[in-house]
Amino acid sequence: AQKITQTQPGMFVQEKEAVTLDCTYDTSDQSYGLFWYKQPSSGEMIFLIYQGSYDEQNATEGRYSLNFQKARKSANLVISASQLGDSAMYFCAMREGGTNAGKSTFGDGTTLTVKP
Amino acid sequence: DTAVSQTPKYLVTQMGNDKSIKCEQNLGHDTMYWYKQDSKKFLKIMFSYNNKELIINETVPNRFSPKSPDKAHLNLHINSLELGDSAVYFCASSQELAGGVTDTQYFGPGTRLTVL
Repeated sequence: AQKITQTQPGMFVQEKEAVTLDCTYDTSDQSYGLFWYKQPSSGEMIFLIYQGSYDEQNATEGRYSLNFQKARKSANLVISASQLGDSAMYFCAMREGGTNAGKSTFGDGTTLTVKP
Repeated sequence: DTAVSQTPKYLVTQMGNDKSIKCEQNLGHDTMYWYKQDSKKFLKIMFSYNNKELIINETVPNRFSPKSPDKAHLNLHINSLELGDSAVYFCASSQELAGGVTDTQYFGPGTRLTVL
């Protein structure tokens, strides 16, 4: 079974609107971390936001927020007030503790296109 | 100052050659990684080193040999390059925390390897 599932291969959003990128995960660990990365066309991987499994509040970083629903095992990324520069590929990732400590699993990515 | 740097940024070489990619981080992290991103943008971990010791070794051909001379460096040497090795290789680093809690990975800019 896939550990990280991003069901939206591509998404479109109008500039200045909000968009939600979906991510569901599968783990039996109690301690894990969830991450979102942005990969623009230039190719670099840019860290956006982190949510720990024990964090009670949803993580926020500027226009990015993570809608963490632990019981549903989902960690959706919400981008508010989309900008043209947000057009990129977005990856959800999970790092587990225990014997998998240090190992990250990435989803297949969602390509976001922001329309002017 | 660049946090995680890789050299070279582009590498074009003939099948059968041996090549190395270098990675350095100046974040003081104790764990470093190599990831491979294929043409479909799937990102998969290859190796992970913690304090110069190999802790993750995914199913990677033994033509790939990582070397960590110190905590700040993790180089990737590839012998007998094959066409299928063409990909973008990312180095990353993180600081492992107590209790199996994971910290954010920061990625280098990537090395685009093309095998002809």
